[in-house]
Amino acid sequence: QQPVQSPQAVILREGEDAVINCSSSKALYSVHWYRQKHGEAPVFLMILLKGGEQKGHEKISASFNEKKQQSSLYLTASQLSYSGTYFCGTGTAGNTGKLIFGQGTTLQVKP
Amino acid sequence: NAGVTQTPKFQVLKTGQSMTLQCAQDMNHNSMYWYRQDPGMGLRLIYYSASEGTTDKGEVPNGYNVSRLNKREFSLRLESAAPSQTSVYFCASSDMGQPYQPQHFGDGTRLSIL
Repeated sequence: QQPVQSPQAVILREGEDAVINCSSSKALYSVHWYRQKHGEAPVFLMILLKGGEQKGHEKISASFNEKKQQSSLYLTASQLSYSGTYFCGTGTAGNTGKLIFGQGTTLQVKP
Repeated sequence: NAGVTQTPKFQVLKTGQSMTLQCAQDMNHNSMYWYRQDPGMGLRLIYYSASEGTTDKGEVPNGYNVSRLNKREFSLRLESAAPSQTSVYFCASSDMGQPYQPQHFGDGTRLSIL
């Protein structure tokens, strides 16, 4: 079942902060975050694993609440380059690498 | 570095025609995936291959077949194209030598079926 992302869309001014949430009805073993700019391929941002391990870009932060089956992506001091659509992908147990993606959150950063 | 290469980049088909989308990766990754992306629906997994020689259905496999030709290549075939298959198709790969690795995406194939 597809995870649910909120909000669906957000508009910011440069320098403002945003939080994007990802919620699943299934037990989460890993949560991936990707950003996609219009007409381009999704690009990896971060992985959060059950047990607290994280892997990703220095300027991106995220949290993973295993009990609530939720993850949040924190975008601070936003820049114009942060604009795009953000997707969370939830990973299953085992090691197939299979991900189920949410419907996406569109972020627009204005000058 | 090429990464994940998809061909073709654009294609227009008529209903009922068949075609194969090609995907190749040069990162020595074990796992490969095919997604379709429709407006408002995010990325939906069609098929995946956890390792060479294995393939499994994803969320939306109906109307598609796949072949994991070798470790590098993973193709997606539409046997009888339907307008509902108009979409952007992305191939991705990941390294399952380590647990829970990121997926690397190709640039996509934009497919229109008339």
